[in-house]
Amino acid sequence: DARVTQTPRDKVTEMGQEVTMRCQPILGHNTVFWYRQTMMQGLELLAYFRNRAPLDDSGMPKDRFSAEMPDATLATLKIQPSEPRDSAVYFCASGLVPWPGELFFGEGSRLTVL
Amino acid sequence: DQQVKQNSPSLSVQEGRISILNCDYTNSMFDYFLWYKKYPAEGPTFLISISSIKDKNEDGRFTVFLNKSAKHLSLHIVPSQPGDSAVYFCAPQRVGSQGNLIFGKGTKLSVKP
Repeated sequence: DARVTQTPRDKVTEMGQEVTMRCQPILGHNTVFWYRQTMMQGLELLAYFRNRAPLDDSGMPKDRFSAEMPDATLATLKIQPSEPRDSAVYFCASGLVPWPGELFFGEGSRLTVL
Repeated sequence: DQQVKQNSPSLSVQEGRISILNCDYTNSMFDYFLWYKKYPAEGPTFLISISSIKDKNEDGRFTVFLNKSAKHLSLHIVPSQPGDSAVYFCAPQRVGSQGNLIFGKGTKLSVKP
């Protein structure tokens, strides 16, 4: 049963601390997305990778967010320093492009920055 | 610039009745449309899709209708059940493209027993 795995599921941290979220995409998928869910913005695209190469990270605050894919089995999203406005649920998703196709989501990482 | 609009943030329906969730898009290049369902504390999961060569696709209690000229699609759930209570997102694609996937802001459906 292939699935996207995200860690941690829940993270509470204090403002200014570094936060790293990890994602293991489904084996064989060539595209990985990071989304953030907020009440106001729905599912907001932060960044995505194809074949491990970053394609678009225009949705991320560049000064504090960074996304990488060190290998085909791991994608990371890092926030340094974290701020209370970063509190949200962060989702990783993987899929096989070109479209059409389904995107498979992880269960999300809930971040609370105090 | 919202390419995908779900103008109803929430919808409340009685069990057994029909639920109709709407989605509008602006880019006429979109030719494949997906609906996702999301329960609290879970990731979104794929529900149903439709290609632009069709105007209707049905899967059990779920039917999606596409009106290309109006750039409008709708998801019908009949009969609605309490377990359908979730947030529903629509997401259009361009067949053959390798671009990102844009989601609407979602509609929260509450089905009351």
